[in-house]
Amino acid sequence: QSALTQPPSASGSPGQSVTISCTGTSSDVGTYKYVSWYQQHPGKAPKLMIYEVNKRPSGVPDRFSGSKSGNTASLTVSGLQADDEADYYCSSHAITTNAFVLFGGGTKVTVL
Amino acid sequence: QVQLQESGPGLVKPSETLSLTCAVSGYSITSDYYGAWIRQPPGKALEWIASVYHTGRTYYKPSLKSRATISVDPSKNEFSLNLTSVTAADTAVYYCAREMASSADYWGRGILVTVSS
Repeated sequence: QSALTQPPSASGSPGQSVTISCTGTSSDVGTYKYVSWYQQHPGKAPKLMIYEVNKRPSGVPDRFSGSKSGNTASLTVSGLQADDEADYYCSSHAITTNAFVLFGGGTKVTVL
Repeated sequence: QVQLQESGPGLVKPSETLSLTCAVSGYSITSDYYGAWIRQPPGKALEWIASVYHTGRTYYKPSLKSRATISVDPSKNEFSLNLTSVTAADTAVYYCAREMASSADYWGRGILVTVSS
């Protein structure tokens, strides 16, 4: 069960938008609505930013949005701020012979 | 408020068993959430290991299923992970988290476990 595919890095200037992709297969992202996105600052635990493809937990700014098309999910961060500089991970419900959760390899977002 | 706290040894010898416990507060482990273990080797990506429901229902990452056992103790409001036959590749920060629908909304701070003789 290979990890979901994310670009290793992405960047943007303050105020701009950046979009991160997360590519899976029909056994995970392509079939299930259970795609999540996490933000992780260095030395800290991950923080849930998006769940069920496009839902935001309470307290997460609406600058963060999620979407999905086919086997690829995306996270868009609009109006980039310095504190958005972090690693971002996607995850998805997956099934082979049994159900489990698959993470992506992570994307480092740099605010220029 | 919801809190999760990992505990266990920070150093485990190769071939031995890694045992961790997650103490939960701020919500009942018998509510409609799973408890999950997720790890992160130094400088690498997150890796989901396993999840457990308060009824004892479990599910595991297929490649770790033969070595991992996740369990829950509702009377103590905690859940645990055992990972057998560890090697240096199991060195990681281990996180416990509250999970619903394959999404982890609350995380512990993490515990670094090093496998070394």
